[in-house]
Amino acid sequence: QQQVKQSPQSLIVQKGGISIINCAYENTAFDYFPWYQQFPGKGPALLIAIRPDVSEKKEGRFTISFNKSAKQFSLHIMDSQPGDSATYFCAALAGGTSYGKLTFGQGTILTVHP
Amino acid sequence: DAGVTQSPTHLIKTRGQQVTLRCSPISGHKSVSWYQQVLGQGPQFIFQYYEKEERGRGNFPDRFSARQFPNYSSELNVNALLLGDSALYLCASRTSAGSYNEQFFGPGTRLTVL
Repeated sequence: QQQVKQSPQSLIVQKGGISIINCAYENTAFDYFPWYQQFPGKGPALLIAIRPDVSEKKEGRFTISFNKSAKQFSLHIMDSQPGDSATYFCAALAGGTSYGKLTFGQGTILTVHP
Repeated sequence: DAGVTQSPTHLIKTRGQQVTLRCSPISGHKSVSWYQQVLGQGPQFIFQYYEKEERGRGNFPDRFSARQFPNYSSELNVNALLLGDSALYLCASRTSAGSYNEQFFGPGTRLTVL
């Protein structure tokens, strides 16, 4: 049962361009939405996260946009660099008694050409 | 500082066999979670342990079991291996069982079932 849908599956961007990855969720109990970056041979690493009480969060070149009514959120990578080439996962978590269970999207393979 | 460590790095088993995967959390972290990441998909939650007790379980059969030791390290056991168990098994640790605490992932154990 896929509760978080992520698109696109793969993305190719030129250096300096903007990378945009979208996610949609179904479970209205979700109240924490992190994005993870995974390089080959490594585990996922937290990139940036947002709570539904704000519509946008920015950290450096990375921005999360959140639309609670549409149950959608997206990651924007500004001035994309070849070093950003990795697999990106959105995730969602329901607080309270969820014991921190993360529900991940399918992942987006980002390739940034120099 | 050492991150989450997992052993072995790679493992090849045949159908019907049993396997044990090991995880050492970051020093001071008392909670460990296990995730299964099938190639091309996002990680799926298997278990969460806190203070040696199971706090959460994902939608996995009883062939999957785990435990946490007094030093907070953890083992994941899978019995009667199936071809579909081939995946990257990720361990994540965090300071406590609080849902929103950041989870730090290890590099994973790549299990191949032939």
